[in-house]
Amino acid sequence: GENVEQHPSTLSVQEGDSAVIKCTYSDSASNYFPWYKQELGKRPQLIIDIRSNVGEKKDQRIAVTLNKTAKHFSLHITETQPEDSAVYFCAASKNTGNQFYFGTGTSLTVIP
Amino acid sequence: EPEVTQTPSHQVTQMGQEVILRCVPISNHLYFYWYRQILGQKVEFLVSFYNNEISEKSEIFDDQFSVERPDGSNFTLKIRSTKLEDSAMYFCASMGQRNTEAFFGQGTRLTVV
Repeated sequence: GENVEQHPSTLSVQEGDSAVIKCTYSDSASNYFPWYKQELGKRPQLIIDIRSNVGEKKDQRIAVTLNKTAKHFSLHITETQPEDSAVYFCAASKNTGNQFYFGTGTSLTVIP
Repeated sequence: EPEVTQTPSHQVTQMGQEVILRCVPISNHLYFYWYRQILGQKVEFLVSFYNNEISEKSEIFDDQFSVERPDGSNFTLKIRSTKLEDSAMYFCASMGQRNTEAFFGQGTRLTVV
């Protein structure tokens, strides 16, 4: 089955700096890679996703890059704000199944 | 905006008791899931449900677990005889099409004592 690894597990940045979270996956058949943000005590919510036919996707301050050859994908948050503080999970899925395999999560703290 | 809703938000039960966690997925969604998250750990897949049957399940989803879609709106997870290690946040999720965004409910915190 798929194995998704995520690092770092914790990340602290100063407000205004950039944050980068990295994930690797093992199954080359995986073709959909969402990123979820989970604020304390709340449900995971999708913030951005990317499919394997695209190398990069951007939405305002958030971008995701995908390297299919190396089987890794990354989340980039620029100009971080205190409200970006949360746990971020990467995930991978493929057409032949419909479950998401989640990474272990990154707790991001943005220091004002 | 449509939401996945779960009840109850918190359930405390004694070890060995049966619990039923309830979910109302988004109405036109076709794929339904249960995930769990032990405190401070990652979200773990339990089971997926499509076309009125289980489509995938993980090793965690043993004979003590079952799911049902008893009517057109509810999706339930039953744990037959709870163990201490079943204590976790249980999330229901639904998806409109395969391999697209999964919408999560707010979770049910299950505490087994």
